[in-house]
Amino acid sequence: GAGVSQSPSNKVTEKGKDVELRCDPISGHTALYWYRQSLGQGLEFLIYFQGNSAPDKSGLPSDRFSAERTGGSVSTLTIQRTQQEDSAVYLCASSLGGQGRTEAFFGQGTRLTVV
Amino acid sequence: AQKVTQAQTEISVVEKEDVTLDCVYETRDTTYYLFWYKQPPSGELVFLIRRNSFDEQNEISGRYSWNFQKSTSSFNFTITASQVVDSAVYFCALSSGGYQKVTFGTGTKLQVIP
Repeated sequence: GAGVSQSPSNKVTEKGKDVELRCDPISGHTALYWYRQSLGQGLEFLIYFQGNSAPDKSGLPSDRFSAERTGGSVSTLTIQRTQQEDSAVYLCASSLGGQGRTEAFFGQGTRLTVV
Repeated sequence: AQKVTQAQTEISVVEKEDVTLDCVYETRDTTYYLFWYKQPPSGELVFLIRRNSFDEQNEISGRYSWNFQKSTSSFNFTITASQVVDSAVYFCALSSGGYQKVTFGTGTKLQVIP
């Protein structure tokens, strides 16, 4: 596609359920990022994939959060046993190079609401 | 470690006023990249500019200008003759270090009042 695509755009889930958020980056982009943005807050870094290197998971807030990137393309962010504090907009971005040399293109995000 | 500080959480200006958004960064690397992004009310972040650490030349693009000063570790963004459409949250970001993930500041919400 022309841009970064995220699905679903909105997700309402019950506390304790698992959720999967999907990101389709721009074709050919080697770097992929996940960020979380709580209401009125800044972007919180979660995880970063660059090519075949081991991902930088330093931003994942707990072991309930995990992400994978299959075939260097599509990525899935999984949140297990969701809690109300997980409610936020989850943003995915991709860039052509992983060394900050090119800008990141963002998807429109998945708004997660845990009730 | 890398860090970006945007001390201004919210700014309100009257249309046609000039406004400067501050950004201070921290990194121990000599090679790094700085960015500004705009997040309008629709939510999708839009890239505005990228600057590498070896290029301290200031840049102007229409009503937008950026002042990069390594001596003060700042990368400030000025909007001249602001317009209502400039109302958005603006994020400054930094990429440095071997892995070079992008770290964002907390953003500055700009409201331009007609």
